[in-house]
Amino acid sequence: KAGVTQTPRYLIKTRGQQVTLSCSPISGHRSVSWYQQTPGQGLQFLFEYFSETQRNKGNFPGRFSGRQFSNSRSEMNVSTLELGDSALYLCASSVSTGDETQYFGPGTRLLVL
Amino acid sequence: SQQGEEDPQALSIQEGENATMNCSYKTSINNLQWYRQNSGRGLVHLILIRSNEREKHSGRLRVTLDTSKKSSSLLITASRAADTASYFCATVLHSGYSTLTFGKGTMLLVSP
Repeated sequence: KAGVTQTPRYLIKTRGQQVTLSCSPISGHRSVSWYQQTPGQGLQFLFEYFSETQRNKGNFPGRFSGRQFSNSRSEMNVSTLELGDSALYLCASSVSTGDETQYFGPGTRLLVL
Repeated sequence: SQQGEEDPQALSIQEGENATMNCSYKTSINNLQWYRQNSGRGLVHLILIRSNEREKHSGRLRVTLDTSKKSSSLLITASRAADTASYFCATVLHSGYSTLTFGKGTMLLVSP
C-alpha cells in the first residue's frame, strides 16, 4: 500500500502570499490530521478531518484553514503568510477518527521570505 | 502547548549500548505513543501504551508508563547506528479523537 503523500515537498513563498498544501492519505484511511513543526514550538496540532468534517482544531489563527474531500484527500491553506509560518507541515492519516495508530507523510517544508 | 517533556534533550551513545529516554506529561491521558523522526522527515509510529498498561515491548523497544507520576520511558536495547533519530512522546487525551500532543523530543546519536 502506498504511504501518505504530501505535495509539494518544498515551497518558498514571500510574506503576504497564500499557500495550499495537499495530503493524500493511505488508501482506506478516512481521518487526516495536520501538524506544524518548528524549532521553537515543536510539533503542534493544526486540525483533524474525518469524512469531510473538521473534528478538532488546534490553537492557530484563522489564517490557517483546511478541508477534506470525499476521497479523503485533504488540503490546508495559509493566507497572508508571515515569516513565522516557515515550518515543516506534516499530515497524518488513520483508518478512522480515534484510531490510535497514525501514519505520517514526509511533510512539506515551507519557507516564507 | 506541549503536553509532554522529554528528557534528556540529547543523548549520545555507542552502538550496542542501551538508550533510555523519559517523557513527562501534565494531564490525564487515554494513551501515550512514541514516534521516531529521521532528520526532519515524517514521523514513524513506534509503540502505543494505554493508560491502564504499565509496560509494553516491541522488538528492541520497551516502554513503561507510570500514570501516578505522569511519566513514561522508552528503552532501546542494543542500539544501532540506524537508531540515530529524534524520538518524541505524544499523548492522546481523549478516546475518540486522533489529536496527538507532542513533547519536544530527544535527539539520539548512536556512533558506530
